[in-house]
Formats: sequence, structure tokens, C-alpha cells
Amino acid sequence: SQQGEEDPQALSIQEGENATMNCSYKTSINNLQWYRQNSGRGLVHLILIRSNEREKHSGRLRVTLDTSKKSSSLLITASRAADTASYFCATVLTSGTYKYIFGTGTRLKVLA
Amino acid sequence: GAGVSQSPSNKVTEKGKDVELRCDPISGHTALYWYRQSLGQGLEFLIYFQGNSAPDKSGLPSDRFSAERTGGSVSTLTIQRTQQEDSAVYLCASSLEVSATEAFFGQGTRLTVV
Repeated sequence: SQQGEEDPQALSIQEGENATMNCSYKTSINNLQWYRQNSGRGLVHLILIRSNEREKHSGRLRVTLDTSKKSSSLLITASRAADTASYFCATVLTSGTYKYIFGTGTRLKVLA
Repeated sequence: GAGVSQSPSNKVTEKGKDVELRCDPISGHTALYWYRQSLGQGLEFLIYFQGNSAPDKSGLPSDRFSAERTGGSVSTLTIQRTQQEDSAVYLCASSLEVSATEAFFGQGTRLTVV
């Protein structure tokens, strides 16, 4: 079964608003990453947060990680129409394998 | 090459035929992954190659699916006796295994079984 579950499944906001997506996972992780997918094709890496970190920033992105709750959130501030895409969290487990397990994704639509 | 390359980009096949999907990872990346994504869904893990170790095949949905990686580089995913439920986008990714900080994805192969 998939490691990550994300919510909401779909999110529609106005340009300029903030978008928050959440990811929950099941087992201990080495790190958690967020990816973006346009038009159902290749994914692009956005940001990584390690298991000993609680918050990371990159431009308009802010990621938090709560290992006690096994959850992470991605915040996109001041959203733009170009941010319209699907966003996935991916976990790298601590079991000695570097396998990436992806969540179910959030489809974000930013209205101009 | 500059990135992960997958071919073909699109493939339409008749039910019951075999198909081969190719992935050319980034040079020097020791880890290679195959995922399947059905329309509007998340990424389903299929198989993971890690250097010279035995691959992790735990995600392959049936024995009709197999994959190999020759010479630690190019990988081929083979689906035998295709079924309509095999229709999906098949995504390949590679990464530097020792860091596992970023997976680089190809653009995928969209497989349609008719």
C-alpha cells in the first residue's frame, strides 16, 4: 500500500491566496520530499525536509514536518496561476533502502 | 544525457500483445525506479534497482510485469499479454543512491491498451 496519503485531493483558490496541502505517512522516514507534476507527466523536485528538521523554506514554499504525527504540510504563499499542478509528497524510508514512496497527490488549481 | 529519457512517449497496443518500455537514466545515477500512474491517481511503485544489488520487485502487480537493467544503466520494463487495466502512464526516475535527496523523472510513457 502507498506510504503517503494527502489531503485535500483537490484545491481551488484565487491567485494571491495561500495554498496548504497535507501529507500523512505510516512508517519511520529518513526524509520527506515534495514534488510537482504538470499535465500528468514527469515530476519535478521542489523541496526536501529531513526527519530531524521541523520546517524548511524555499522561496514561496514552506514545508513543515511533525514526525510524532507522521505528517507534513506544504504551504505555497501568494499563489500564481502558474502554480496550477498536482503536488505529491514522497518519503524515503529508514529501512536501508532508498525507495521513494509517493502519496496520492493534491490537484491545485489557481484561478487568475 | 542531460536528463532521464523514456521511450516511446506514447504507445497504443492491442490487448494480449507484449510491450517494452525503455528508460535511460542520468549518467552516474545508481538507483533507478519505475512507477505507474493511472489517470488522476498517485504514483504506484513498481520496481527499484539499486546498484549491483538484487532489485526490489515488491510493487510489480503480476508476473506479467518484469524489468531489467543492463550494465547498470538502461532499463526496460516489459509487460506481457497486456490487459486494458495496464493502461496508464509509466514513469521512470533515477537518483544518486547514496544521498536519496532527489529523484529525477522522465516524461513517462503513456500506454493505452485497446
